[in-house]
Amino acid sequence: DAGVIQSPRHEVTEMGQEVTLRCKPISGHDYLFWYRQTMMRGLELLIYFNNNVPIDDSGMPEDRFSAKMPNASFSTLKIQPSEPRDSAVYFCASSLRGGYTAEAFFGQGTRLTVV
Amino acid sequence: AQSVTQLDSQVPVFEEAPVELRCNYSSSVSVYLFWYVQYPNQGLQLLLKYLSGSTLVESINGFEAEFNKSQTSFHLRKPSVHISDTAEYFCAVSDLSGGSNYKLTFGKGTLLTVNP
Repeated sequence: DAGVIQSPRHEVTEMGQEVTLRCKPISGHDYLFWYRQTMMRGLELLIYFNNNVPIDDSGMPEDRFSAKMPNASFSTLKIQPSEPRDSAVYFCASSLRGGYTAEAFFGQGTRLTVV
Repeated sequence: AQSVTQLDSQVPVFEEAPVELRCNYSSSVSVYLFWYVQYPNQGLQLLLKYLSGSTLVESINGFEAEFNKSQTSFHLRKPSVHISDTAEYFCAVSDLSGGSNYKLTFGKGTLLTVNP
């Protein structure tokens, strides 16, 4: 397996624009996580899914953020409208059986810059 | 709720010196513990994990960590570091509360810089 695949690797957008980040988890994994990493706040869990169902979205900063997982092999994180404070590296990770016996595998991340 | 505290944000050391990166956690239930490493411009990779059994766990590149339940700690150690160990290290905890309720909580990270 190629691991967790995220696209794009880098995204530069103007304030107010819609941004969509994409993630393909490892085949067979039943948990998917979206994290955001910044210098100030470190690594924050935004939302996670179990079997394509959102379980906990308490980390989503505000209504401008939304995440979907239409099937077991694809997830999106959308920001609309984007703001400069959304600039960060966004990581997607997947795990089998929720990490009870396995770790989370991370993608390479998407570096988002909102100008 | 669970939390992870990494006491040092930066640790500079010289090559071949020993190093300890500290991690303390809090949780109301039993936990699994992990150390991840992040090299520049890359995602996080698992370094080692404690699930059960022996409280001392080792990685393939010479790191080890010891689970201390009474002190709620999971410190990471290496007796002799290399330049290539320069990276950011994250301690993480996941609880065993069961069901689909699962959360992997990370500390803020410790930047290990190995100087020649």
